Amino acid sequence: GENVEQHPSTLSVQEGDSAVIKCTYSDSASNYFPWYKQELGKRPQLIIDIRSNVGEKKDQRIAVTLNKTAKHFSLHITETQPEDSAVYFCAASKSGNKLVFGAGTILRVKS
Amino acid sequence: SQTIHQWPATLVQPVGSPLSLECTVEGTSNPNLYWYRQAAGRGLQLLFYSVGIGQISSEVPQNLSASRPQDRQFILSSKKLLLSDSGFYLCAWKKGNGQETQYFGPGTRLLVL
Repeated sequence: GENVEQHPSTLSVQEGDSAVIKCTYSDSASNYFPWYKQELGKRPQLIIDIRSNVGEKKDQRIAVTLNKTAKHFSLHITETQPEDSAVYFCAASKSGNKLVFGAGTILRVKS
Repeated sequence: SQTIHQWPATLVQPVGSPLSLECTVEGTSNPNLYWYRQAAGRGLQLLFYSVGIGQISSEVPQNLSASRPQDRQFILSSKKLLLSDSGFYLCAWKKGNGQETQYFGPGTRLLVL
């Protein structure tokens, strides 16, 4: 089955700097890659997703890139702000199947 | 628009007691439904998922069970809780037509003492 690895497990950045979180997946048939943000005590919220027919997607300060050949995808957050501090999860799935999540990255933005 | 509800929001139960957590979805029909558990400071562990009424797939063998008595209702149960059952239980749904976006409910925080 699919396996998703996520790095780093914790990431500290200075406010205004960029943050990058990377994930690798094992099943080359996976074609959907969402990213979720979970604030302390809250539910995970979808922040951006990408499908395998696209190499990059942006939404304001957030972008996701996908390299199908290498089977990895990354989340990029620019101009980080204290409210970006949270746990971020990547995930992968094949069409219609269940999501397989990475272990999560704790992002701390220091002001 | 679609909304997902979970209750109770928090629960404190003694070891060996039964459990019933409920999840309902509004504004859609025939959704795929999921139960996840998240231990403190840990990732998301998929417990069960369902693609239709009465159809349950178990991901992790344990003392929990799930049922889907109605199209938009998903229930997580246990006959006897263990200390290790403590955690944050999240229900999630996605449209059953193949669209992949999955949305989480507000969660139930369970503490077993």
